[in-house]
Amino acid sequence: AQSVTQPDIHITVSEGASLELRCNYSYGATPYLFWYVQSPGQGLQLLLKYFSGDTLVQGIKGFEAEFKRSQSSFNLRKPSVHWSDAAEYFCAVGIPSGYSTLTFGKGTMLLVSP
Amino acid sequence: KAGVTQTPRYLIKTRGQQVTLSCSPISGHRSVSWYQQTPGQGLQFLFEYFSETQRNKGNFPGRFSGRQFSNSRSEMNVSTLELGDSALYLCASSPGQGDNSPLHFGNGTRLTVT
Repeated sequence: AQSVTQPDIHITVSEGASLELRCNYSYGATPYLFWYVQSPGQGLQLLLKYFSGDTLVQGIKGFEAEFKRSQSSFNLRKPSVHWSDAAEYFCAVGIPSGYSTLTFGKGTMLLVSP
Repeated sequence: KAGVTQTPRYLIKTRGQQVTLSCSPISGHRSVSWYQQTPGQGLQFLFEYFSETQRNKGNFPGRFSGRQFSNSRSEMNVSTLELGDSALYLCASSPGQGDNSPLHFGNGTRLTVT
């Protein structure tokens, strides 16, 4: 079965600094990969997705992620963090089975300091 | 297009009672998935429905059930509620045809069991 690890439970970044959130997955082949963001009291919003092709994918709100097959990683990056980026971020993996089922990591809470 | 709508937003129930949660997917989406989110276990997949048929099921007891109607709206039911069922229940929809359809989430129903 597939699994997702987000090693950092909390990360604090200064406003304007760069951000990298780590995600590692376990799956025998190339999975579908996603990053979602959740603000308090809200559902999950899709930031970006990787299915195949170019390993660097661009998402909304200035986020990007890079798929590295050799490291089984799909890290999320942003060059300059804004206070409104404070939220919880979830990495998720889906498998090419025809089912719309995702396995999520435990999430990383991003705190932005002034 | 309207997003995924979940009702009610909040519910308080007593142990032993049952509860029904409702989800209206994005227009045209035929797949509806349900996830349970708790601080301890994170996001866990409950089940997925496509064209009124359960297509995939997570590892939850039989007290958790669902159904989908011909208009793709879905309900999930939890019987004989336990304290541990307190959670945010998220519904997500997708077109459901093919693998590369990211999930679109609603804002969830917050269930508190006392």
